Amino acid sequence: GENVEQHPSTLSVQEGDSAVIKCTYSDSASNYFPWYKQELGKGPQLIIDIRSNVGEKKDQRIAVTLNKTAKHFSLHITETQPEDSAVYFCAASRRSGGSYIPTFGRGTSLIVHP
Amino acid sequence: DGGITQSPKYLFRKEGQNVTLSCEQNLNHDAMYWYRQDPGQGLRLIYYSQIVNDFQKGDIAEGYSVSREKKESFPLTVTSAQKNPTAFYLCASSIGLALLDTQYFGPGTRLTVL
Repeated sequence: GENVEQHPSTLSVQEGDSAVIKCTYSDSASNYFPWYKQELGKGPQLIIDIRSNVGEKKDQRIAVTLNKTAKHFSLHITETQPEDSAVYFCAASRRSGGSYIPTFGRGTSLIVHP
Repeated sequence: DGGITQSPKYLFRKEGQNVTLSCEQNLNHDAMYWYRQDPGQGLRLIYYSQIVNDFQKGDIAEGYSVSREKKESFPLTVTSAQKNPTAFYLCASSIGLALLDTQYFGPGTRLTVL
């Protein structure tokens, strides 16, 4: 099955700095990579995703890059704000029978200091 | 107000007792999922259901059971056979199980077995 590694487990930055979270995956057949943000006491919410036929995708202050050859993808947050503080999860979607089920990384706790 | 609801937010049970966690969605989604989240771990899939009266085991189904009698509801029973049931449980739904079908998560239930 798919295995997703996520680093770092904790990331502490100053407000205004950039933050980068990296994930690697093992199944070369995975071709959809969503990123989720989980605030304290809440369920994860999708913030950005990327398909395997795209190398980079940007949405305001967040961007995701994908390197299919190396099997890794990254989340970039620029001009971080205290409200960006949360746990971020990457995922890789693998085919299971006729369905696509995501495998999640272990999460990165991002702390943005004002 | 569309979304996924999980109740209760906190649940306490004695060891050896079965307990059922509720998950309801009014998004008219066909697919529903149950995940378990432990500190420092990613989301691990317990069960998922693509359609009413059908469900599949995920990666860690042992000690759990589910039912899908209605499209809106996907309750999870944590049985006494689950060796380490204390965890944060997340329910999710999506339109289907196609590649780009986004998962929407509920707020979660924190189960503590004493």
